[in-house]
Amino acid sequence: QLQLQESGPGLVKPSETLSLTCTVSGGSISSNSDYWGWIRQPPGKGLEWIGSIYYSGSTYYNPSLKSRVTISVDTSKNQFSLKVSSVTAADTAVYHCARTTVDVRRYYYMDVWGKGTTVTVSS
Amino acid sequence: QSVLTQPPSASRTPGQRVTISCSGSSSNIGSNTVNWYQQLPGTAPKLLIYSNNQRPSGVPDRFSGSKSGTSASLAISGLQSEDEADYYCAAWDDSLNGWVFGGGTKLTVL
Repeated sequence: QLQLQESGPGLVKPSETLSLTCTVSGGSISSNSDYWGWIRQPPGKGLEWIGSIYYSGSTYYNPSLKSRVTISVDTSKNQFSLKVSSVTAADTAVYHCARTTVDVRRYYYMDVWGKGTTVTVSS
Repeated sequence: QSVLTQPPSASRTPGQRVTISCSGSSSNIGSNTVNWYQQLPGTAPKLLIYSNNQRPSGVPDRFSGSKSGTSASLAISGLQSEDEADYYCAAWDDSLNGWVFGGGTKLTVL
């Protein structure tokens, strides 16, 4: 079945760029009905959507993060990636990747999530 | 401050029923469907309810969802100790052009 796996450095220095990759297995990232996204969860806090991408490259970003976030897709590797620039301690969180799919009535929902990877911003 | 509003906590005993509310606005719940997630400690969120009231395969029928206007609810009947988790609602927001989540409700089954 479909699985998502996040990877990337667990420690990033303040002011630098956080880079993560999500590898999709058991299915194709080029599916016509699916979007691929990033969600983060700071320690002890709730979920925050970062942004999503379609296999064609069209993107949607959280307005509060848009100026610092870039999401890209590599269909040849079945991967999509996240970059967050100028990080601060407030960007410390568990970062999850997830698939957004659609039901027969054209309603969207995130159904498959990666286990998440912890990123700490510290010098 | 989350766009969708949930009670921070709820507590029941095994066998009881609990309802968790999720309040939004016309740009999110009022015009789009609501999804619910269960997050056990130290794990990724798991889809519990999608499209307001649909259960994915494998989710027990003790879990149900509903929506009315700009609010939605998750009901869990016959509570079990393994239901102790954080529960989040989510919806697409047409004004923000993105997904919004509730702040989460921590359910304790005593």
